[in-house]
Amino acid sequence: DTGVSQDPRHKITKRGQNVTFRCDPISEHNRLYWYRQTLGQGPEFLTYFQNEAQLEKSRLLSDRFSAERPKGSFSTLEIQRTEQGDSAMYLCASSPILGLAGGLTYEQYFGPGTRLTVT
Amino acid sequence: RKEVEQDPGPFNVPEGATVAFNCTYSNSASQSFFWYRQDCRKEPKLLMSVYSSGNEDGRFTAQLNRASQYISLLIRDSKLSDSATYLCVVYSGGGADGLTFGKGTHLIIQP
Repeated sequence: DTGVSQDPRHKITKRGQNVTFRCDPISEHNRLYWYRQTLGQGPEFLTYFQNEAQLEKSRLLSDRFSAERPKGSFSTLEIQRTEQGDSAMYLCASSPILGLAGGLTYEQYFGPGTRLTVT
Repeated sequence: RKEVEQDPGPFNVPEGATVAFNCTYSNSASQSFFWYRQDCRKEPKLLMSVYSSGNEDGRFTAQLNRASQYISLLIRDSKLSDSATYLCVVYSGGGADGLTFGKGTHLIIQP
């Protein structure tokens, strides 16, 4: 399978603990995104990398969240001092710079997500 | 007005029928549009991209109305497997932060 992969698929942690998630994008994709999704809502943008550079970060993103993509391939998302409100599905997506039609695009391919439950 | 609005549904539609739902957006400078389908507790999957007036792929047609600022998705000859939530995504420029997801429209195809 050459799609986007995420690990772990499920994580249960106690409030106050730190958690780290990993995302492996489609290998030829330069762009990588992290989103958070709760029930009944659309994905909410967290942060974005182009190659190894973190170009954008949501203004709503707490300082407890940090993401890296050190070699421009896989990425990690760390949440420090987790809170119950952090419980959500964390989705990673990747995209090429050029789309199927040949122009610049934000067509995204999502991984299966990591479901975080903070107790 | 919210940036991207969708009727949450659910739309209950008999198998074989045609169904259409809309997505309205508030930023008139929006440049491109996407429809994703999301099955329960799964990730969104790209269904269609719309860069000009519309796009068609088999039973699925997306149409863009810039004057009224909405994009529609039409599904013909609906199948049971079309049951899912359909997410509208609007890109308004300014990088990845310019991508806004709607909350989705829930579609149930009934036998």
